[in-house]
Amino acid sequence: DTEVTQTPKHLVMGMTNKKSLKCEQHMGHRAMYWYKQKAKKPPELMFVYSYEKLSINESVPSRFSPECPNSSLLNLHLHALQPEDSALYLCASSQGQGPNQPQHFGDGTRLSIL
Amino acid sequence: SQQGEEDPQALSIQEGENATMNCSYKTSINNLQWYRQNSGRGLVHLILIRSNEREKHSGRLRVTLDTSKKSSSLLITASRAADTASYFCATDGRFGNEKLTFGTGTRLTIIP
Repeated sequence: DTEVTQTPKHLVMGMTNKKSLKCEQHMGHRAMYWYKQKAKKPPELMFVYSYEKLSINESVPSRFSPECPNSSLLNLHLHALQPEDSALYLCASSQGQGPNQPQHFGDGTRLSIL
Repeated sequence: SQQGEEDPQALSIQEGENATMNCSYKTSINNLQWYRQNSGRGLVHLILIRSNEREKHSGRLRVTLDTSKKSSSLLITASRAADTASYFCATDGRFGNEKLTFGTGTRLTIIP
């Protein structure tokens, strides 16, 4: 079992739907991340939150909207997605921000856009 | 970009043999990490090696780093079926770049 919990595990949605992905960690980590991973490709960073503030946005389209309600929770709100947005969405956390920190990943949400 | 290139893209070996994967990157780094990803799962951190280190061990894993060649290798000794997974190197940036960038990955298959 991973220490970062993501829900739902699978999500199928139409292009006009609004849905949210959720991520939770109770390790006291202060940095949290969203990645997008296409099949047989490496994860690509989308957003970084540090101490509940957005610190990195990798020029992600506005149809993806992150939210960090508190230090344990990270949401990704989805609206008007495109078929090319179908992918595995991974959440991760680390003790502090910075690439010298090992990241702990959840098992992801597999998203399919119809 | 800082993305690492991993070699080989895919590797199949018999159980009990050693597996070696290589990662090359483009610009100077502070740290390099290796991660494992089992099919349908998230990534698991394996080991972090700093730019001033040349070699690091963790159980059956041995990582080397050659900053002059901008390359790293991951050796898994006495492989097991459970080692079947994709392996990614991840690099940071030299000048306070706040993000990790993952390499292209090696898909390792251990044949029982």
